[in-house]
Amino acid sequence: DSGVTQTPKHLITATGQRVTLRCSPRSGDLSVYWYQQSLDQGLQFLIQYYNGEERAKGNILERFSAQQFPDLHSELNLSSLELGDSALYFCASSVVTGGTGELFFGEGSRLTVL
Amino acid sequence: TQLLEQSPQFLSIQEGENLTVYCNSSSVFSSLQWYRQEPGEGPVLLVTVVTGGEVKKLKRLTFQFGDARKDSSLHITAAQPGDTGLYLCAGGEVGSNYKLTFGKGTLLTVNP
Repeated sequence: DSGVTQTPKHLITATGQRVTLRCSPRSGDLSVYWYQQSLDQGLQFLIQYYNGEERAKGNILERFSAQQFPDLHSELNLSSLELGDSALYFCASSVVTGGTGELFFGEGSRLTVL
Repeated sequence: TQLLEQSPQFLSIQEGENLTVYCNSSSVFSSLQWYRQEPGEGPVLLVTVVTGGEVKKLKRLTFQFGDARKDSSLHITAAQPGDTGLYLCAGGEVGSNYKLTFGKGTLLTVNP
């Protein structure tokens, strides 16, 4: 158990819909990262927050948005869903925002768009 | 965008065999991490290497960071079924705000 909690574990929805994925980081971790994992693209970095502020942005689509709340939990919002958005979405947390800190991953949220 | 190529993509071996998987890039990384991911779970960190030429050993696993910090290898001695999983390398970008770039992974199956 990494200490990172993600909900829901599985989600099935239709194209055009909007979903919210939730992440609670390990106790004491200020940084939260979101990654998308698919068979063809591997693990793709989406976005990072540190203590409520956006710190780094990766290959995140404009249809996707995220935020980190004062209690440090984070949400990833995916809208106007397309079939290609079907993937595993991972949240990870770390103590620091830079350097060579270890990322602790949650078990992921599997999104299926039909 | 920095890319990490991992090879082989798939590897199926018998228990007791040795194996090496590779992680290569044309870019320099500030650090290199190896993770293992099992089905239904998130990746778990195995090791971090930060110095060119660095070698780290973790029981039967040996990790090496290339001298130029562009590549890395993971060698497993006497593989066991419990080593089965997806091995991912991840590079820390030089000069960025610590964005990890992941390779697509090597899926290792160790048959009893």
